[in-house]
Amino acid sequence: KQEVTQIPAALSVPEGENLVLNCSFTDSAIYNLQWFRQDPGKGLTSLLLIQSSQREQTSGRLNASLDKSSGRSTLYIAASQPGDSATYLCAVDNTDKLIFGTGTRLQVFP
Amino acid sequence: DTGVSQNPRHKITKRGQNVTFRCDPISEHNRLYWYRQTLGQGPEFLTYFQNEAQLEKSRLLSDRFSAERPKGSFSTLEIQRTEQGDSAMYLCASKPGPVYGYTFGSGTRLTVV
Repeated sequence: KQEVTQIPAALSVPEGENLVLNCSFTDSAIYNLQWFRQDPGKGLTSLLLIQSSQREQTSGRLNASLDKSSGRSTLYIAASQPGDSATYLCAVDNTDKLIFGTGTRLQVFP
Repeated sequence: DTGVSQNPRHKITKRGQNVTFRCDPISEHNRLYWYRQTLGQGPEFLTYFQNEAQLEKSRLLSDRFSAERPKGSFSTLEIQRTEQGDSAMYLCASKPGPVYGYTFGSGTRLTVV
């Protein structure tokens, strides 16, 4: 059974810091890995999709890497801003459904 | 492409009542998914459709829950005889095929009082 773990559970940093959010999964037989952002009480916004044949994806200040053999992904946020404050969810696409971690709650203060 | 649309956004109901939620996926997406999310947790898979066929149901989906996707377009999720434990955010997602990413709607927040 696929299990997804995210570390840390919460993070509070001053504006401008570079951040690394970690995601690990137990079954390396995945199609894709997707990172989402969720603001309080809202739905999920897709940030980055990494297909199983890829090692990383970049979008603006965000970079996500995938190491299937070790069951790990990292989301790197450069030069954090208060607007980045949200919960970040990692999800693996396994047997055609997403399995989510419990998320990292990020607060960036001015 | 107007995204995935879910209605209503919020629903408050009394215990024992039936509720129905609607999801309109992106028009060219043949796969549609329902998830449930409780406070502080990641979303949990409930069920998914490929076109009008319901291909998988989670054990979380008790017999009080039923989902349909007539004609492979919009989908409805009905909860009968609601219980307080059903209070959660219900999320819908769609995608065009197996190797693509998921697009989520804004969710329906259900509160059972």
